[in-house]
Amino acid sequence: DAGVIQSPRHEVTEMGQEVTLRCKPISGHNSLFWYRQTMMRGLELLIYFNNNVPIDDSGMPEDRFSAKMPNASFSTLKIQPSEPRDSAVYFCASSLRQGSNQPQHFGDGTRLSIL
Amino acid sequence: AQSVSQHNHHVILSEAASLELGCNYSYGGTVNLFWYVQYPGQHLQLLLKYFSGDPLVKGIKGFEAEFIKSKFSFNLRKPSVQWSDTAEYFCAVMLDSNYQLIWGAGTKLIIKP
Repeated sequence: DAGVIQSPRHEVTEMGQEVTLRCKPISGHNSLFWYRQTMMRGLELLIYFNNNVPIDDSGMPEDRFSAKMPNASFSTLKIQPSEPRDSAVYFCASSLRQGSNQPQHFGDGTRLSIL
Repeated sequence: AQSVSQHNHHVILSEAASLELGCNYSYGGTVNLFWYVQYPGQHLQLLLKYFSGDPLVKGIKGFEAEFIKSKFSFNLRKPSVQWSDTAEYFCAVMLDSNYQLIWGAGTKLIIKP
């Protein structure tokens, strides 16, 4: 079975540009998570969707960040405008259902560099 | 607020040494516990998980962890490490009443060949 699929794997862009990260969760999973990982701050949960509905976006750093999940098989995380401090690895994860005994499965991540 | 503590940020061992990575959490209710591993340049992978039952949980690649409820701990162990175990290890706790994983800061493990 295909795991969580993220694209692109790497993104290098200049500050001020719009960046869109994409995620396809595992088929049948209805919970989706976006994380950011940096050396300084470790792994941070940005936003969580359940059944395509954003449940908790309190981790989204500021208004420049937005996330959507138009259907069960696709989600995007957008940064507009991007800044150098947004440079990080962004992971998408999905799990089978909202519940405390379902592990999250992670994608390979998008390594984002903002120059 | 609930939190997860991994006391060692960096651990360096020689091959064949025994490993124990500490994980403590602060929450008095029911929890589900996870260890994830992140190999260099890769995504996080589930090593093992505890939901209920036998508090000694065996995972992949010879790893095991023991849930000690009275100590709020879920330490990860391996009797003999290999160079290929070099990675970062994350402990995570999911509260029975919540959906979120509360993550530890991670422990970077370096195995000297």
